[in-house]
Amino acid sequence: SQKIEQNSEALNIQEGKTATLTCNYTNYSPAYLQWYRQDPGRGPVFLLLIRENEKEKRKERLKVTFDTTLKQSLFHITASQPADSATYLCARPTGGFKTIFGAGTRLFVKA
Amino acid sequence: NAGVTQTPKFQVLKTGQSMTLQCAQDMNHNSMYWYRQDPGMGLRLIYYSASEGTTDKGEVPNGYNVSRLNKREFSLRLESAAPSQTSVYFCASSGDQPQHFGDGTRLSIL
Repeated sequence: SQKIEQNSEALNIQEGKTATLTCNYTNYSPAYLQWYRQDPGRGPVFLLLIRENEKEKRKERLKVTFDTTLKQSLFHITASQPADSATYLCARPTGGFKTIFGAGTRLFVKA
Repeated sequence: NAGVTQTPKFQVLKTGQSMTLQCAQDMNHNSMYWYRQDPGMGLRLIYYSASEGTTDKGEVPNGYNVSRLNKREFSLRLESAAPSQTSVYFCASSGDQPQHFGDGTRLSIL
């Protein structure tokens, strides 16, 4: 069965540094991967979608890569700020209208 | 725009009680979804509705039923609540992609 694996350990970084989060998937490469942000007590909010043929995508301080050889996506936040502290979820389609989500990686940015 | 609205936000039930969780979206999306989120397990799909008039099982449908009342509304029903159904329930909707989520219903079953 298809799985999404994210580092369950929290990531602690200093303000101004680059945060890098990892998402690994199993089985065949999906047509795209998505990244969401989730704050405590709130629902996930969509951040970025990267297609299989895009390799890299940027949005302001965010950058996502997609490596079909490693079956991995990396999510980078440059010049991180305390307001970036949240849980970040990786997701992939599994056929039809279904999407599976990773358990998320919690990011803490210290001032 | 409210996006996806879920009611109630919190609920405590006793084992065996029934309850319906409500979800409405105002984005004219065709597809709607119900997930549950448990610590360390991520979001798991309970049921989804690809379009008005259709519903399908997801990964963990046992103990739940759904109704796609119209294009805007998709409800989740627990007929006989069990402690294992204690969780945070999220409703989502989508056109193509991505999914838009509500802020969840926190459900405790004693």
